[in-house]
Amino acid sequence: KQEVTQIPAALSVPEGENLVLNCSFTDSAIYNLQWFRQDPGKGLTSLLLIQSSQREQTSGRLNASLDKSSGRSTLYIAASQPGDSATYLCAGNYGGSQGNLIFGKGTKLSVKP
Amino acid sequence: GAGVSQSPSNKVTEKGKDVELRCDPISGHTALYWYRQSLGQGLEFLIYFQGNSAPDKSGLPSDRFSAERTGGSVSTLTIQRTQQEDSAVYLCASSPRGPPDEAFFGQGTRLTVV
Repeated sequence: KQEVTQIPAALSVPEGENLVLNCSFTDSAIYNLQWFRQDPGKGLTSLLLIQSSQREQTSGRLNASLDKSSGRSTLYIAASQPGDSATYLCAGNYGGSQGNLIFGKGTKLSVKP
Repeated sequence: GAGVSQSPSNKVTEKGKDVELRCDPISGHTALYWYRQSLGQGLEFLIYFQGNSAPDKSGLPSDRFSAERTGGSVSTLTIQRTQQEDSAVYLCASSPRGPPDEAFFGQGTRLTVV
């Protein structure tokens, strides 16, 4: 069964700290992995998409890595800001006839001023 | 350009009534997904449309749930005889061609069954 796990479920850090969010997946036959941000009461905002052939993607202060062999992805946030406070979700895309994204339960990040 | 649009943004309905939720995908996107997010839970896959192929309905929780996609564009998720456990945020996403393309989500419809 394809499963995606995110640890920790919640994380609180002081402003300015660099941090890493973890995502692990059980099936390495992954098309890509996508990181999303969800603010309370809102939909999902796509942050980064890493294809299976890639090792990392960068956007501003965000860097996402993908290691298929170990079934892991990390989202690195540099110099965190209170505005980064949100729930971060990773999703593995396995394609095929289903084409559905398998989501982790998310990490709720709180950045304290 | 416009993103994925969902309507209504909030819906309160009485138990036993039918509801329809609408999703307007990004223009030109052939893949469309419906997910459900219950309070404190992760995202639950419901149904996936890709072009003219038969939709993957494997995630629909019961036969009270159905979805259509007319003309390869707008999709409607229908829940018949709503129950309190149907209360959740229903999220729609679209993708240019499905995997491995990026998926873009709408803001969701918050359904409350009273």
